[in-house]
Amino acid sequence: QQPVQSPQAVILREGEDAVINCSSSKALYSVHWYRQKHGEAPVFLMILLKGGEQKGHEKISASFNEKKQQSSLYLTASQLSYSGTYFCGTSPGGSNYKLTFGKGTLLTVNP
Amino acid sequence: KAGVTQTPRYLIKTRGQQVTLSCSPISGHRSVSWYQQTPGQGLQFLFEYFSETQRNKGNFPGRFSGRQFSNSRSEMNVSTLELGDSALYLCASSSQQGSRLSGNTIYFGEGSWLTVV
Repeated sequence: QQPVQSPQAVILREGEDAVINCSSSKALYSVHWYRQKHGEAPVFLMILLKGGEQKGHEKISASFNEKKQQSSLYLTASQLSYSGTYFCGTSPGGSNYKLTFGKGTLLTVNP
Repeated sequence: KAGVTQTPRYLIKTRGQQVTLSCSPISGHRSVSWYQQTPGQGLQFLFEYFSETQRNKGNFPGRFSGRQFSNSRSEMNVSTLELGDSALYLCASSSQQGSRLSGNTIYFGEGSWLTVV
């Protein structure tokens, strides 16, 4: 079942913060975050495994709460280069080797 | 390290024809998966191969098929093309060192843009 992302779109000014949420109705083992710019391939940002850990990548970090079956991506002090569509991909673990992606969140950062 | 390479990048086919797309994974990666991306449906999983065996399959009709070769390169084929098959087809590879996808990063190629007219 497809995870639900919110918001669907967000517009920021450079330097502002944003949070993108990803929720699943199924138990999760891991959440994968990607960013895709128009006409390009999705680029890996980070994986979060069950355990509620928080990971970071420069000014982008994420958390994963397996009890609530949700993950959040935090973008702080946004830059123009952060613009793109953010996808979360979820995996239930076990021997399931596929990711189920949300519909994406379009992030636009303006000067 | 070279990334995931997909060919061709762009192609136009006529309804009823068939098409074959090719993917070369990152060197050393043995898992290759395919996704279809459309504006309406987003990223949808087609199938995944590991060591020449299909391990998982998405909910697509039998017109969509794939295979993997001993060098981990993969191809996917769509027969009897329909207008709705127009999409970006993305290949992704993973090292799959562990027994589960969960702890392994998957890396996407640039994709093959297919237009069916």
